[in-house]
Amino acid sequence: DGGITQSPKYLFRKEGQNVTLSCEQNLNHDAMYWYRQDPGQGLRLIYYSQIVNDFQKGDIAEGYSVSREKKESFPLTVTSAQKNPTAFYLCASTQTDRVGTQYFGPGTRLLVL
Amino acid sequence: AQSVTQPDIHITVSEGASLELRCNYSYGATPYLFWYVQSPGQGLQLLLKYFSGDTLVQGIKGFEAEFKRSQSSFNLRKPSVHWSDAAEYFCAVGAVGGYSTLTFGKGTMLLVSP
Repeated sequence: DGGITQSPKYLFRKEGQNVTLSCEQNLNHDAMYWYRQDPGQGLRLIYYSQIVNDFQKGDIAEGYSVSREKKESFPLTVTSAQKNPTAFYLCASTQTDRVGTQYFGPGTRLLVL
Repeated sequence: AQSVTQPDIHITVSEGASLELRCNYSYGATPYLFWYVQSPGQGLQLLLKYFSGDTLVQGIKGFEAEFKRSQSSFNLRKPSVHWSDAAEYFCAVGAVGGYSTLTFGKGTMLLVSP
């Protein structure tokens, strides 16, 4: 089955620690996205990538970093500079670099110990 | 810049009653419009989308939406709500011909009463 996988489902971060969230897709989609979801805030765009080895900041990129070394993979690192990382993180992909339907993974919930 | 407003944070509907969720967008040209649904702790699932053509769009699970350019609206409707429709609903807008980012509304939580 084609789709988007995110791992882990739950992730715990200690103070001062960097953690990496995984996102993999086998849809052969060009563009991939990371969103942060907080209650009552909707989805806010962190980073997106329209092509391998290129990515752009979204609306709330501070404290986050990404890489896009393979078309299928777009990992997100939550760095220690992100002071309020507790949230639900969603990865999505779309077929082209133009506006189209975004398909979402199941999400990762990040909690701070 | 484009924006989306979902005026209702929560809506409660009786099972079997009709439903309308409101979505207003701000964008200077013809937009692409989407409705997504999210169950608790899950990702988002596409319900329907409008790109062009017929302004009344049919989606999955018996949902439909109507694009009204004069009102900058894209309201979601269902004639008879089922308890399994309880979820959070998000409206989103994208720029026609633009690069692929979408702007999402803050969501409307649908509660279904027996």
